[in-house]
Amino acid sequence: GQQLNQSPQSMFIQEGEDVSMNCTSSSIFNTWLWYKQDPGEGPVLLIALYKAGELTSNGRLTAQFGITRKDSFLNISASIPSDVGIYFCAGQNTGNQFYFGTGTSLTVIP
Amino acid sequence: KAGVTQTPRYLIKTRGQQVTLSCSPISGHRSVSWYQQTPGQGLQFLFEYFSETQRNKGNFPGRFSGRQFSNSRSEMNVSTLELGDSALYLCASRKGQVAYEQYFGPGTRLTVT
Repeated sequence: GQQLNQSPQSMFIQEGEDVSMNCTSSSIFNTWLWYKQDPGEGPVLLIALYKAGELTSNGRLTAQFGITRKDSFLNISASIPSDVGIYFCAGQNTGNQFYFGTGTSLTVIP
Repeated sequence: KAGVTQTPRYLIKTRGQQVTLSCSPISGHRSVSWYQQTPGQGLQFLFEYFSETQRNKGNFPGRFSGRQFSNSRSEMNVSTLELGDSALYLCASRKGQVAYEQYFGPGTRLTVT
């Protein structure tokens, strides 16, 4: 199945630093979603974006829907140890089907 | 509001056997999708059910099948298990087929030996 290009693949940062990750696709999407997954658990929805150019925040998280509708980014400000996990982007196409990024593994060093 | 629930959480099966996994969506959600997650392939879409009908299907062999009941609960069946079927199987629900926000359950970890 189709997968979105997500980068970076992994990040090791110091507590308090900001984090940025992004997803790109060759296809246009109508919706972008960002999830966080802890080991052995299902992904938890963090932010949903519904239209091109939209910038949405959820606490220390900020995400944007790219104006070309082919990309999205997620920023985490002032990282804390509980931010550790794998972050996935997901795009929903005109066929209402979701495609997922390959994931960004985040490690926060106290 | 209770989240998506999946049973069982862990399962060990032998090659050649079959398995049935269960998913109960969030109350009021009528769409249920199934995904397979492996370290090598990431999250791969299996199929989606809405109002007891399969609406979308991913690129998986016919050994993978599913169904949805009138109360929106869904089951996924894998027949003639292969070692490569070992994975985390995730169920996700959303209000409708065009609803944007999809919520995942905790998954069922299937190990095939």
